[in-house]
Amino acid sequence: AQSVTQLGSHVSVSEGALVLLRCNYSSSVPPYLFWYVQYPNQGLQLLLKYTSAATLVKGINGFEAEFKKSETSFHLTKPSAHMSDAAEYFCAVSVVTDSWGKLQFGAGTQVVVTP
Amino acid sequence: DAGVIQSPRHEVTEMGQEVTLRCKPISGHNSLFWYRQTMMRGLELLIYFNNNVPIDDSGMPEDRFSAKMPNASFSTLKIQPSEPRDSAVYFCASSFTGGTYNEQFFGPGTRLTVL
Repeated sequence: AQSVTQLGSHVSVSEGALVLLRCNYSSSVPPYLFWYVQYPNQGLQLLLKYTSAATLVKGINGFEAEFKKSETSFHLTKPSAHMSDAAEYFCAVSVVTDSWGKLQFGAGTQVVVTP
Repeated sequence: DAGVIQSPRHEVTEMGQEVTLRCKPISGHNSLFWYRQTMMRGLELLIYFNNNVPIDDSGMPEDRFSAKMPNASFSTLKIQPSEPRDSAVYFCASSFTGGTYNEQFFGPGTRLTVL
């Protein structure tokens, strides 16, 4: 079975500073990895996904994530935070052998951006 | 594409009443997922369907909860009778599991308040 651990339930960053959200996964088979963002009072929206092509994945709104197999990590970064990045971020994992498309979500990280 | 559609967006009801939440998945998707999100428990997978067949309902909290998917374009989640602890945001998500990467697309959610 696969699982995801997000380090830090809350992260506070200054506007213009680096955003770094940590995600570690556990999977016995090659994983698919996702980052979703949830803005207040909205559903989850896909930011980016790793599907075994390039290990550095670029997503929407200037976010990117790097898949590191040796570290079983898929950390999310953005060089310069914007006030509009305030949201909750979820890391999720799936595997190619899962026929049903089930995702295992992390507990989420709430990002606060301060002026 | 209209995305995943959920109705109603908000529901306020009294304890003991029946509540029905509705979901229309993205056309062509063959998997559908119902989630519940609360501050205390985070994002929980309740039940999921593949090709209209329920695959795993182990996340359904009690027998008061039931879900159906009579066809590929419609699903319902019913709570009967409702209780205050059922207050949460309920999300529906859909995906296509047939050579893609299990990316799920979420609806905007139904915010349920049980008084």
